[in-house]
Formats: sequence, C-alpha cells, structure tokens
Amino acid sequence: GENVGLHLPTLSVQEGDNSIINCAYSNSASDYFIWYKQESGKGPQFIIDIRSNMDKRQGQRVTVLLNKTVKHLSLQIAATQPGDSAVYFCAENEEGGGFKTIFGAGTRLFVKA
Amino acid sequence: NAGVMQNPRHLVRRRGQEARLRCSPMKGHSHVYWYRQLPEEGLKFMVYLQKENIIDESGMPKERFSAEFPKEGPSILRIQQVVRGDSAAYFCASSPGLADYNEQFFGPGTRLTVL
Repeated sequence: GENVGLHLPTLSVQEGDNSIINCAYSNSASDYFIWYKQESGKGPQFIIDIRSNMDKRQGQRVTVLLNKTVKHLSLQIAATQPGDSAVYFCAENEEGGGFKTIFGAGTRLFVKA
Repeated sequence: NAGVMQNPRHLVRRRGQEARLRCSPMKGHSHVYWYRQLPEEGLKFMVYLQKENIIDESGMPKERFSAEFPKEGPSILRIQQVVRGDSAAYFCASSPGLADYNEQFFGPGTRLTVL
C-alpha cells in the first residue's frame, strides 16, 4: 500500500476560519514532504514543502508542521477563502527528493461562504 | 515562461487502439515524471526519465506501457492495446534535477477515456 495516507477525506470550513488538513506517513526514511493543491480538472499545484530536519515551515497563509516522532504532517491554512476549495494531497519523496513522489489519497476542502 | 505542457488534454480511444500522450517539460528541466490518477484518488507514480534514459519505471505496468524522453522533442507515454481500465488522468511533471530536493511542476494532464 501507499506510505502516505490522510485522516479525513473531506473537510468543510466557514470562509474566514482556519483549516487544518492532516496526513500520516509510514516510511521513516522519507526526508522530504510536500503539500499539493489540485483544483478540478487541473494538475497538482505546489503549496509548500518541508525537509525532515525541520518541524515547521511557514508560507503565505499556509503553515506545514512535521512531527517525525509520530510520522504526522499537517497543513494549516489561515483565513480560508473560497478559492482554497480543492483537493489537498500530502506527498513524500524517497531518496532525498526530486524522485518518485508518493502521494496520499487526498482531502477535499469545501469552503462555505 | 511556459509551464509544463501536455497534449492532448482529452483523448478518446476504443479498446485495442494505441494512446500516445505527450509532455513538454518546463524550459531548462531535464527530468520528467509520469503519474496516473483515477477519480477520487491520489496520483500514482509510473516512471521517471531523464533525457534519453529511464531512471525508474517501477510504477509502470509490465505490458503495453512504455515511455521515452528523447534528446529532442517531448516525452511520450505510450499505451498499446488500451483497455477500459486504462481510463484515467495522466499527469506529467518536470524538475530541473540540479539539487537533492527538486520541486516538481505538473502539467494540466491528459484525460484518457477508453470506450
């Protein structure tokens, strides 16, 4: 099976609220993790990444947290907007990145106006 | 600054026909990856290529599927004698391949429908 999976298949949030999307991985040798956003009919779009030597990384309105002890990854979206509605995938790279990205099943985020 | 381009965007084939999917990586990128996505599922790695070389094809079915990335021209994913189970979205990604960690940039995908 896949090394990466998600706790929640769907998430519905009110516009303006914060969203948290969770992900679990099983391969302790993975050292590079990425969150992708995929809108309907489009390819995945890079959101943010994190290396295993970090536990937190912030971008614009997004934060990724990595807990290597429990092999858990989360994506936090601040002040969620309707344009954030999409499917979000966590992914891990084997052998140092840039190679054979393993995707999780995805979480669909609905933003209610 | 064009991104990753894939064509066709939609492809319809009858069972037994051949499907050819093309991917032009971003300018300056020498690494190409192909993924398959079934509805409501994540992307599944198929193959990783550099110019004229297949680096990892562990995700490719053993029969009917092949991929190439010639010195000149786009990368091609070829599916011979298609079956209904091949219906999926096929995504190509590219990366520069210059560092240990390489962000992969994805194309818009080709949606293959096998009748």
